[in-house]
Amino acid sequence: SQQGEEDPQALSIQEGENATMNCSYKTSINNLQWYRQNSGRGLVHLILIRSNEREKHSGRLRVTLDTSKKSSSLLITASRAADTASYFCATDASTGFQKLVFGTGTRLLVSP
Amino acid sequence: DSGVTQTPKHLITATGQRVTLRCSPRSGDLSVYWYQQSLDQGLQFLIQYYNGEERAKGNILERFSAQQFPDLHSELNLSSLELGDSALYFCASSARGNTEAFFGQGTRLTVV
Repeated sequence: SQQGEEDPQALSIQEGENATMNCSYKTSINNLQWYRQNSGRGLVHLILIRSNEREKHSGRLRVTLDTSKKSSSLLITASRAADTASYFCATDASTGFQKLVFGTGTRLLVSP
Repeated sequence: DSGVTQTPKHLITATGQRVTLRCSPRSGDLSVYWYQQSLDQGLQFLIQYYNGEERAKGNILERFSAQQFPDLHSELNLSSLELGDSALYFCASSARGNTEAFFGQGTRLTVV
């Protein structure tokens, strides 16, 4: 079963605009990660935020985590056409051995 | 290049057949994950191995099985294939104590 649900399912913006994607999850977690997938290819790790962190930055990426609301957001600033991809959140649950349960993904289209 | 190698890249087979997908993790990574991604769907966690032992099971069908060998490569066996098994199958690996995952490029399975 899916742990996370991304919102929106699809997002279309112009180059230079910011893109915000949200992820909600169901159980307690150790950390939450965001991955990117270009069409039909393998996923690439973008950023990891631990459960005791509230915000993290990496280049043009900003991730926030609200464990009380069981939600996270990924902000891509000054988007480029090359950012066009699907973005997934993945959670590492704090109980059991199951790791990295992925959400349903947000498809981002950045137009030149 | 993530360092994770999956073979074959593409596989076309008939219903009822059995196939084996192979994954070589990044050098030094002890943990291997298998995921299934159907068209326009998120990633479904199938199974995880750590240093040769099964650690977690997800929505893996009884017709599917996997193992991790002493050299840490892993194989996913899919039997009695059905049309609905057509999907991308991804392998990922992670280092001990670190759940950041590195994905292979996937095996695209088409059952006809």
